[in-house]
Parts: sequence; C-alpha cells; structure tokens
Amino acid sequence: EDKVVQSPLSLVVHEGDTVTLNCSYEVTNFRSLLWYKQEKKAPTFLFMLTSSGIEKKSGRLSSILDKKELSSILNITATQTGDSAIYLCAVASGGSYIPTFGRGTSLIVHP
Amino acid sequence: DTAVSQTPKYLVTQMGNDKSIKCEQNLGHDTMYWYKQDSKKFLKIMFSYNNKELIINETVPNRFSPKSPDKAHLNLHINSLELGDSAVYFCASSQVSTGNYGYTFGSGTRLTVV
Repeated sequence: EDKVVQSPLSLVVHEGDTVTLNCSYEVTNFRSLLWYKQEKKAPTFLFMLTSSGIEKKSGRLSSILDKKELSSILNITATQTGDSAIYLCAVASGGSYIPTFGRGTSLIVHP
Repeated sequence: DTAVSQTPKYLVTQMGNDKSIKCEQNLGHDTMYWYKQDSKKFLKIMFSYNNKELIINETVPNRFSPKSPDKAHLNLHINSLELGDSAVYFCASSQVSTGNYGYTFGSGTRLTVV
C-alpha cells in the first residue's frame, strides 16, 4: 500500500519567518508528487514534481523533489498571514492515476 | 466561470435519508473524482471515473454510488445516510491522458447527518 507522510503536522510561525514542510513517500513506480494549499475551502494546486522536473518555484514558494531520499520539501520564505493554510502533499504512482494524499501540515502565520 | 462546481454547498439531513451531490466540470478534463475529507482534514479517495471506467475504493460502503451521465458530470448518490457520513465531500477533475495529475477541486459540499 502506498504511503505519504507529511511533517510536521502543524507549525506556528511569525510573519517574515521561513518555513520548510516535508513530505516523504513509499510508493511503487513513482510518477509525480503534487503540493496543494487548502485554506477555507477547496485545495488549490501549487506544484507538480516529476523525474524530469524536480524543482519548481513560484514567488516565495519553492519545492524540491529528492528521488533518492523519496521525499520533497516545500519552502515558503518571508511568510505572510495569507500563507496560513493546510498544505497537502500527494503522490501518483504505479498504474494508478489516483494520487495518495498525506494528512497535511497545518501552517499558522501570526502577524 | 467556475471550473469544477458542486451543488449543494451545504446539506443537512436526517439519518436514513437518501441524498445526491452534483458535480460538473467545464475544463474538458477526462477524469473526475470524489473525495471525502474528515474532521482531521484527511482526503480519502472514494471514486474515480475515466473514459467510462469506474474505479472504486473498496473501503467505501456500497451505500455510496457515483453516476456519470457524461464526461463533464460525476454525481454522488448516498443511500441510507448514517451519522458517520458527515464530512466535506470534494469533487475534482484532472487531464490524466496528458500525464497531468494535478487536480482542480470543487469548493466542497459539507454534509451533516443528524
């Protein structure tokens, strides 16, 4: 059974801090790793990382895939209160196109 | 235009009732999904529907049944609702044929069974 584990489960920081969220996985025949941000409603897509695209960046957010360590990190620099959300990691693998989700990291950014 | 739309947004109903949640996507995606998110925010796949192929998570009770009248719609029907069915249900879609596993989610339906 595929496993996706995120850490930490929750994180409280102050505005301006830099945070690193972790996602590790045990899957058969890795295809891609996805990061989502969920605020009050639906998760919104952030990044997709594959063997051919192991690093992505968008503004203050960046993500790296380490296929050797079977993990990924999501970095957020100069955090803002608007970054407060649950960050979800999901991994697509094997013959299935259905990603397995981790349990998420809850990030709270205080002013 | 909303890319993936679900209705209703909120649903409060009594145990034993039968209810449906509708989902429509206008992205032209080839695959649609239903997820259940529990109180601890864990997203669990319930069904996926791709090119007339339905994949069912075997842990989902058979009181839940998806219905897809066409590629743009995947509705969720629930029979004999139970208290434990209370959760937020998300519909999502993706274009699997291009290798893009990134989902677009609907805004969710919060189901409360009393």
